[in-house]
Amino acid sequence: AQKITQTQPGMFVQEKEAVTLDCTYDTSDPSYGLFWYKQPSSGEMIFLIYQGSYDQQNATEGRYSLNFQKARKSANLVISASQLGDSAMYFCAMREVTNFGNEKLTFGTGTRLTIIP
Amino acid sequence: GAVVSQHPSWVICKSGTSVKIECRSLDFQATTMFWYRQFPKQSLMLMATSNEGSKATYEQGVEKDKFLINHASLTLSTLTVTSAHPEDSSFYICSAASVPSRSLYEQYFGPGTRLTVT
Repeated sequence: AQKITQTQPGMFVQEKEAVTLDCTYDTSDPSYGLFWYKQPSSGEMIFLIYQGSYDQQNATEGRYSLNFQKARKSANLVISASQLGDSAMYFCAMREVTNFGNEKLTFGTGTRLTIIP
Repeated sequence: GAVVSQHPSWVICKSGTSVKIECRSLDFQATTMFWYRQFPKQSLMLMATSNEGSKATYEQGVEKDKFLINHASLTLSTLTVTSAHPEDSSFYICSAASVPSRSLYEQYFGPGTRLTVT
C-alpha cells in the first residue's frame, strides 16, 4: 500500500520569504509520479507541479520547485518569494496503479499555509 | 488549461432525499472521471473512477448503491447520493482526464459541490 505523509498541518510565513512544504512517500513501485496541488478557501484544486520518478532533474514551474530526493523518498515543495495569494491548503499526492489497471491519486493530509504581510 | 465544471456548486437537501451532482468537461473529451469526497479540514478521498461507457470502479468502503455514478458521455459524469443522511454532508469534487486513465498529469479538477443534508 502506498502512503503520503505531510507532517506540517500548518505554517506561517512572512511575505516575500521562501517556504518549504514537506512531503514523504512510501511505495514499492519503480514507476510513480508525485503532484502538488493548491486548494484555496474557494475549494478548487489547482495543479502546481509534477515530478516523475524517472525524471533526472527537479521539476520547476515559475515560483514553484520540487526538491525531489528519491533515496529519502521525499518530494518537498518550495515556493520562492511568497505572496499573500499563496495562502491556501497544499496537498501532496502520488499516482498509483490500481488492481484494475487504472491510475488514481492518493493525497496527503495537507498543509495549511498562511502568508503574513 | 482544460475546464471542468460542477453543478450545483452547493446544495442543501433533507434527509432521505436523493441529490444529483453533475460534472462536465467543457473543452475536452474526458475518457476517465474521478469522484472525490472531502470532509472539512481533511484530505481528498477517492470514491470511484469511471471510464466512459463502463461501470464505475468504487474504492473499498464506498457503497455502490448509495453513491450512483454514471459516465454516459465523454463530457458528462453524474454522482447521485441516494437517500442522503447528515453524515453524507461533505464537499464532493470531480476530476477528468483526457486519456484512458493514463496520464493523471492531465487530470483537471472541478470546483466542487458542497452538500449539506439536514
